[in-house]
Amino acid sequence: DQQVKQNSPSLSVQEGRISILNCDYTNSMFDYFLWYKKYPAEGPTFLISISSIKDKNEDGRFTVFLNKSAKHLSLHIVPSQPGDSAVYFCAASPPGANNLFFGTGTRLTVIP
Amino acid sequence: KAGVTQTPRYLIKTRGQQVTLSCSPISGHRSVSWYQQTPGQGLQFLFEYFSETQRNKGNFPGRFSGRQFSNSRSEMNVSTLELGDSALYLCASSRGDANSPLHFGNGTRLTVT
Repeated sequence: DQQVKQNSPSLSVQEGRISILNCDYTNSMFDYFLWYKKYPAEGPTFLISISSIKDKNEDGRFTVFLNKSAKHLSLHIVPSQPGDSAVYFCAASPPGANNLFFGTGTRLTVIP
Repeated sequence: KAGVTQTPRYLIKTRGQQVTLSCSPISGHRSVSWYQQTPGQGLQFLFEYFSETQRNKGNFPGRFSGRQFSNSRSEMNVSTLELGDSALYLCASSRGDANSPLHFGNGTRLTVT
């Protein structure tokens, strides 16, 4: 049973515009959420995280929003750059634990 | 700071054999976790080691095992390999406290023929 879902397998965005990647989760006990970026033949690279006590966290061009009541999080990338083209995974972790439940990924293509 | 290092990068084994994968965490990180990535199942948690003890375990058969050494380096072993074990095996390290992000290596691509 997939506890973390990314319903859009792919997304194409023009360079300079905003990319919005979405993620839903079913387990209300999750209290820590992360986004990773993955290039082919490499491991996932940590991008940004958010704890359940917050509803927004920002780091440069990347902002993660958390809506606990909707069990939904999103990653905004502004402005999008061609180098952002990769597969993005969201992940969630239960309280006090270090194991992550991953979504199936969204392939972002930023068109120059 | 050196990242997480996994060896080997690629491995080809035949059914029934066993395999050992190695992972060196980021210096100072005491937690090492292992994940399996397949096209059908995505990224799935295998187990986590902290201070040489298995602290958490995913839903994989007993053929999958691991250990962690006193220098935090970790190994993962898969015995009696099956075709379905073909996957990318990823190791991740972290400080080990709750809400510390995992940092991944580039993985070992295992092919079972």
